[in-house]
Amino acid sequence: EIVLTQSPATLSLSPGERATLSCRASQSVGSALAWYQHKPGQAPRLLIYDASNRATGIPARFSGSGSGTDFTLTISSLEPEDFAVYYCQHRNNWPLTFGGGTKVEIK
Amino acid sequence: EVQLLESGGGLVQPGGSLRLSCAASGFTFSNYVLTWVRQAPGKGLEWVSGIVNSGAGTFYADSVKGRFTISRDNSKNTLYLQMTSLRAEDTALYYCAKGRDSSNWFADSWGQGTLVTVFS
Repeated sequence: EIVLTQSPATLSLSPGERATLSCRASQSVGSALAWYQHKPGQAPRLLIYDASNRATGIPARFSGSGSGTDFTLTISSLEPEDFAVYYCQHRNNWPLTFGGGTKVEIK
Repeated sequence: EVQLLESGGGLVQPGGSLRLSCAASGFTFSNYVLTWVRQAPGKGLEWVSGIVNSGAGTFYADSVKGRFTISRDNSKNTLYLQMTSLRAEDTALYYCAKGRDSSNWFADSWGQGTLVTVFS
């Protein structure tokens, strides 16, 4: 099973600041990695798929990069609605797994 | 508009069974892979199970293998999760989710979830 380790666990930032989230895989997943945003009481939302492709309707301030074992989600300038928990997920092999999440909170 | 509506959650004792359903609309159901994902109280997302578009291939997390069975009825646009031998650690909000296409398992649409509580 591929283990995805996300860091930091919590990121305290102010609106307008840049957020950089990390996801590290225990073995290579190529580019088969996605990022999701999850807010309390809502369904998760796909942001980035296959490492760097923005999903439909996702603002350009969200970007993904990386390949192999190290991946990054960057939010260039935080909007108030961006404070949430973010998860990475791979689809390289079975079972699919999620990382433990990074909470982006208002400083 | 894609819609996924889960049902079938509830309270059940350890060792009991439940069948979750997910009614889909707004897309050609038989063209997409589907998954179940759960979130235990205060915890993160956990992938549970996936099924290919034809239903011929199914996949499970180790934590549920041998106890849960995923299936789909493409004529009814409905996804199922049969859960048996339930344990306290299966308590969670269960989401159904649609993959991006017939081979991409990343979930681009999600339901609102159905709550399963296993208690003694």
